[in-house]
Amino acid sequence: DAGVTQSPTHLIKTRGQQVTLRCSPKSGHDTVSWYQQALGQGPQFIFQYYEEEERQRGNFPDRFSGHQFPNYSSELNVNALLLGDSALYLCASSSTGSNTEAFFGQGTRLTVV
Amino acid sequence: AQSVTQPDIHITVSEGASLELRCNYSYGATPYLFWYVQSPGQGLQLLLKYFSGDTLVQGIKGFEAEFKRSQSSFNLRKPSVHWSDAAEYFCAVGPAGNNRKLIWGLGTSLAVNP
Repeated sequence: DAGVTQSPTHLIKTRGQQVTLRCSPKSGHDTVSWYQQALGQGPQFIFQYYEEEERQRGNFPDRFSGHQFPNYSSELNVNALLLGDSALYLCASSSTGSNTEAFFGQGTRLTVV
Repeated sequence: AQSVTQPDIHITVSEGASLELRCNYSYGATPYLFWYVQSPGQGLQLLLKYFSGDTLVQGIKGFEAEFKRSQSSFNLRKPSVHWSDAAEYFCAVGPAGNNRKLIWGLGTSLAVNP
């Protein structure tokens, strides 16, 4: 089992550009959540996808959008990048139901210059 | 307001010494509580979790945590720290039945002296 895999591992973008980050969940998991972790901070919940729909959303602007595919993999898109979007973006997968834990990927380090 | 507080930003202990990392939470409903560890440049690994039942939970790598409802605390402990335990430790809380929208503390950075 490969666990949760994210790509790319590192990315450098210019302010104003758009970026797409990818996540493949752990085998057997159907729910994907995305978190933003700024340097020296704890993760902040961006949104969660289940059955190809956004189920919950944190306090992030509409520039942050996502998608989930039929195979449960997911993408995070960020438009009009700002310097403040520089962070580690973490994907977590879990399975529907209570008492389940979230497994995290290694993250994508995004740097906006 | 829902929040998680980790009062200690940075802790340094000697190898072999005992460790306690503090976590206090504010949550309106029955919380599910978690401790995660993050090594430099890495993702988050679950150390242990508390859902219900015995308030002392055992985790991986010799860690344990005790849930104290009256104190709204979920402190992480380890009797003897190893140099490889140096990392960032995060406490998180989520609603019962849905552990995905977690609320996180700011983390405690642990350094281990040889």
